[in-house]
Amino acid sequence: KAGVTQTPRYLIKTRGQQVTLSCSPISGHRSVSWYQQTPGQGLQFLFEYFSETQRNKGNFPGRFSGRQFSNSRSEMNVSTLELGDSALYLCASSPRLAGGPDTQYFGPGTRLTVL
Amino acid sequence: AQSVTQPDIHITVSEGASLELRCNYSYGATPYLFWYVQSPGQGLQLLLKYFSGDTLVQGIKGFEAEFKRSQSSFNLRKPSVHWSDAAEYFCAVGEKGGGADGLTFGKGTHLIIQP
Repeated sequence: KAGVTQTPRYLIKTRGQQVTLSCSPISGHRSVSWYQQTPGQGLQFLFEYFSETQRNKGNFPGRFSGRQFSNSRSEMNVSTLELGDSALYLCASSPRLAGGPDTQYFGPGTRLTVL
Repeated sequence: AQSVTQPDIHITVSEGASLELRCNYSYGATPYLFWYVQSPGQGLQLLLKYFSGDTLVQGIKGFEAEFKRSQSSFNLRKPSVHWSDAAEYFCAVGEKGGGADGLTFGKGTHLIIQP
């Protein structure tokens, strides 16, 4: 099976702009989670989508949003970019088996730089 | 809230030497525990996971980890490291079915291999 893919791999934006990142999960996986990785804060959970619905959300401002499509692909959007949004954004997919433990598989990430 | 502590920010070992990376977690119920590895500029690769049963789990690349409930620990070990093991290692805890906060990660341990 192909792994999790993320596009684009690198992005450079300026403050105030908005950005959309894309994630395609492993075939058959219905859950997509997003994480932000920075040197200072480490890996932080942003949100999770399952069956086109946001299930869980981390402690991030409303400028961070996402959605999931019927084919399980997901997009993440950040509006009004700030310098502090510069980070590696990681997408993870999981099968989300009912009632069972879940394993997340990560993509290569999108490196966002805000100037 | 769950938390993960990786006490060692950096560890340096000689090639061929044994390795142990420490991980302590705080979680109210039986945790689901994971070790991931990240090479520079890459996403996270799953090394191994613990859900239940045998407390000594085997993973890829010759790694193993032992779950010790009494010590709230899940330390990663490898009997003989190779130069290609140089990377960042993350311990993570998850809740059954994903949980409200996704995976909670430690800050990571940077492994340096000396020739």
